[in-house]
Amino acid sequence: NAGVTQTPKFRILKIGQSMTLQCTQDMNHNYMYWYRQDPGMGLKLIYYSVGAGITDKGEVPNGYNVSRSTTEDFPLRLELAAPSQTSVYFCASTIQGGGNTIYFGEGSWLTVV
Amino acid sequence: RKEVEQDPGPFNVPEGATVAFNCTYSNSASQSFFWYRQDCRKEPKLLMSVYSSGNEDGRFTAQLNRASQYISLLIRDSKLSDSATYLCVVYTGGFKTIFGAGTRLFVKA
Repeated sequence: NAGVTQTPKFRILKIGQSMTLQCTQDMNHNYMYWYRQDPGMGLKLIYYSVGAGITDKGEVPNGYNVSRSTTEDFPLRLELAAPSQTSVYFCASTIQGGGNTIYFGEGSWLTVV
Repeated sequence: RKEVEQDPGPFNVPEGATVAFNCTYSNSASQSFFWYRQDCRKEPKLLMSVYSSGNEDGRFTAQLNRASQYISLLIRDSKLSDSATYLCVVYTGGFKTIFGAGTRLFVKA
């Protein structure tokens, strides 16, 4: 059972470049999330989706975009990368809201130089 | 004030010790509470949910005090493998799940 799979695991970007972090889950979960985690800080929600075709902003959406064309996939796009986007990114999913268990991908370490 | 606050630690304890972590939350309407565990350079994973009556899972005991708006986690007979960061997590409704910054635990031989 793969769970939540995200790629790439590590990436170095130059300032101004763009890239997409891929995320897929095989648990048929409706809710999917993208978080970022900076050292010593809690997870911050970037975007979330409650189902295919429905996305919304979280706490820190600036500089990012998402799409949800299928239940399984929830890619995160970084446009015009900035050093402030250096972070660890986690994709996550849960069957629905209401405080159910959140399952995370293994994380993507992104450095913008 | 942060929505979920935890002592960042680190807590350095010997094997076999009992250690307790506390967490406070600001939203009195919060609905569900959890402890997640995060190993170094790994993703967070659910450790246990926290119920109003308190609950145990082996060596781990979680307590919730709604009146004082705090959650606790007690680990008895600490093992080396318990070394990790423990995240206090609060669900406040809708899509909003708030993660604390975590408390680091080091268990020494």
